[in-house]
Amino acid sequence: SQQGEEDPQALSIQEGENATMNCSYKTSINNLQWYRQNSGRGLVHLILIRSNEREKHSGRLRVTLDTSKKSSSLLITASRAADTASYFCATDASGGFKTIFGAGTRLFVKA
Amino acid sequence: EPEVTQTPSHQVTQMGQEVILRCVPISNHLYFYWYRQILGQKVEFLVSFYNNEISEKSEIFDDQFSVERPDGSNFTLKIRSTKLEDSAMYFCASGRQGGETQYFGPGTRLLVL
Repeated sequence: SQQGEEDPQALSIQEGENATMNCSYKTSINNLQWYRQNSGRGLVHLILIRSNEREKHSGRLRVTLDTSKKSSSLLITASRAADTASYFCATDASGGFKTIFGAGTRLFVKA
Repeated sequence: EPEVTQTPSHQVTQMGQEVILRCVPISNHLYFYWYRQILGQKVEFLVSFYNNEISEKSEIFDDQFSVERPDGSNFTLKIRSTKLEDSAMYFCASGRQGGETQYFGPGTRLLVL
């Protein structure tokens, strides 16, 4: 079964620095999504990148996808304390009927 | 802005009891999902529902679990006989199209004693 795995598991940075999180997966995908979760709350969708795309931007977020390496990265530029959260990648390969989440990266941004 | 809602926010139950978790997806969405997250662990897919039937389910979603869309607005997850290991946060999500953005509810925290 496919599985997204993020690294690092935890990341602590200073406000203003950039944060990079990586995700690897095992099988072919239709798209890959990144979600954010504040402690104990629901997930919020950040960005979706399709298998035929290599890079996508949304505000301070930049996502890349390398299907040959089965990996993706999420870059948050100029981080803020409010970016403190867990970030998950999620992959789908069954036409939208089964989404698999990775273990997540816990990001802590120090003010 | 429309959002997915879930009730109750917290539920405590005794082992062996039945629980029903309720979700109201966003009104024009057609794809519905349940996930669970054991404390400190990753979000696990349980089941997807489209066109009034289950589309996919995971190994976790055994005979003790069922889903239903009893009317045009609610989407429920039933656990027939709860076990201690069912204690988790359960999230409902909905989407307009399969494989696209899913909108998550705030979750129901289930504690089985």
